[in-house]
Amino acid sequence: DTEVTQTPKHLVMGMTNKKSLKCEQHMGHRAMYWYKQKAKKPPELMFVYSYEKLSINESVPSRFSPECPNSSLLNLHLHALQPEDSALYLCASSQDQAAGQPQHFGDGTRLSIL
Amino acid sequence: GQNIDQPTEMTATEGAIVQINCTYQTSGFNGLFWYQQHAGEAPTFLSYNVLDGLEEKGRFSSFLSRSKGYSYLLLKELQMKDSASYLCAVGTGANNLFFGTGTRLTVIP
Repeated sequence: DTEVTQTPKHLVMGMTNKKSLKCEQHMGHRAMYWYKQKAKKPPELMFVYSYEKLSINESVPSRFSPECPNSSLLNLHLHALQPEDSALYLCASSQDQAAGQPQHFGDGTRLSIL
Repeated sequence: GQNIDQPTEMTATEGAIVQINCTYQTSGFNGLFWYQQHAGEAPTFLSYNVLDGLEEKGRFSSFLSRSKGYSYLLLKELQMKDSASYLCAVGTGANNLFFGTGTRLTVIP
């Protein structure tokens, strides 16, 4: 079990669907992250929120839309995805964005695009 | 940009010692992390080095040489449960992590 909870664990959607991935942490962390991980590849940073404000967008296509409703929650809204977007989506959090803060990862949502 | 290299796969025997190397070229370096990831699970934090030298934590130790752009993770008294991928990650800017390709370690009896 991890202290970062992601739902759903698995998601299958068509290219025209709209869905959301959710992430929750109750460690009082003020930085939250979305990563994408393809099979047998390392996680790749997508977005960073710091104190509920978007601080990093690593040139992610607009079909991925992050949202941070409060300090404990992070969502990733999905629309018009492509088959190549199938991957494991990992959420992480850290105390803040100060250098050296370990990031704690959730178990991820395994996304399949039909 | 970031360039981080690790061996793709390693095999070691239960009870032995294994060293996993990581070399990096990066801008804005502010530390090096090691994570363990079992198949289908979340990465878990193992260690962080920001100064040169060796950090020891139980069976795991991590070393950093900033001038050489080099780190290694040392695992002692290997156990079967240590079979996993080991990810080297460079911290840059405001705690952003850029991961290496990972080393898949298989521990055999």
